[in-house]
Amino acid sequence: EADIYQTPRYLVIGTGKKITLECSQTMGHDKMYWYQQDPGMELHLIHYSYGVNSTEKGDLSSESTVSRIRTEHFPLTLESARPSHTSQYLCASSYGPSYEQYFGPGTRLTVT
Amino acid sequence: GEDVEQSLFLSVREGDSSVINCTYTDSSSTYLYWYKQEPGAGLQLLTYIFSNMDMKQDQRLTVLLNKKDKHLSLRIADTQTGDSAIYFCAEIGDSSYKLIFGSGTRLLVRP
Repeated sequence: EADIYQTPRYLVIGTGKKITLECSQTMGHDKMYWYQQDPGMELHLIHYSYGVNSTEKGDLSSESTVSRIRTEHFPLTLESARPSHTSQYLCASSYGPSYEQYFGPGTRLTVT
Repeated sequence: GEDVEQSLFLSVREGDSSVINCTYTDSSSTYLYWYKQEPGAGLQLLTYIFSNMDMKQDQRLTVLLNKKDKHLSLRIADTQTGDSAIYFCAEIGDSSYKLIFGSGTRLLVRP
């Protein structure tokens, strides 16, 4: 059983606000990921990290940024939220050898 | 490039078997995965299969892998209403550690 946490679970904010979505895992996994999930279900990888001080952009262009200063923590920041950022954001972590990813419960973000 | 495809919707009667299908394009995939997502929740790993296996069974779940046709299936025996959810298949991409997900199959179990 994986222990990966996301806060907040739900967030409604106004356009132009800066927000940080938190993701923490207690398993010591080296790899972490952020996905954006459409209302129509499809998952899009927006950021990932192979370890401390490593961050990479994913397959979907995103106006967000991430940092990985500690193994267990992988926060995602939106400097200026817009209505197009309204989505579900899922954080995941993984560790070899079979690379399966464990997901947090998600943050449902609404930008008004 | 890598691609994973699934049918969008499946409806079954409670107690019947469900079979969710998936096709993938990357023949070098070493692992393939099945995830379940319930409303308002994250993805839950159900099972995964190594590419040198043809079948893996775990209680009510059976995974079949046909490498020649690049076809993966998930069979759920004695489907229950609690199995209603979205099911995602995924493969490990060639860029190590990144999973390529299908678009998900919504399973509806009718009483």
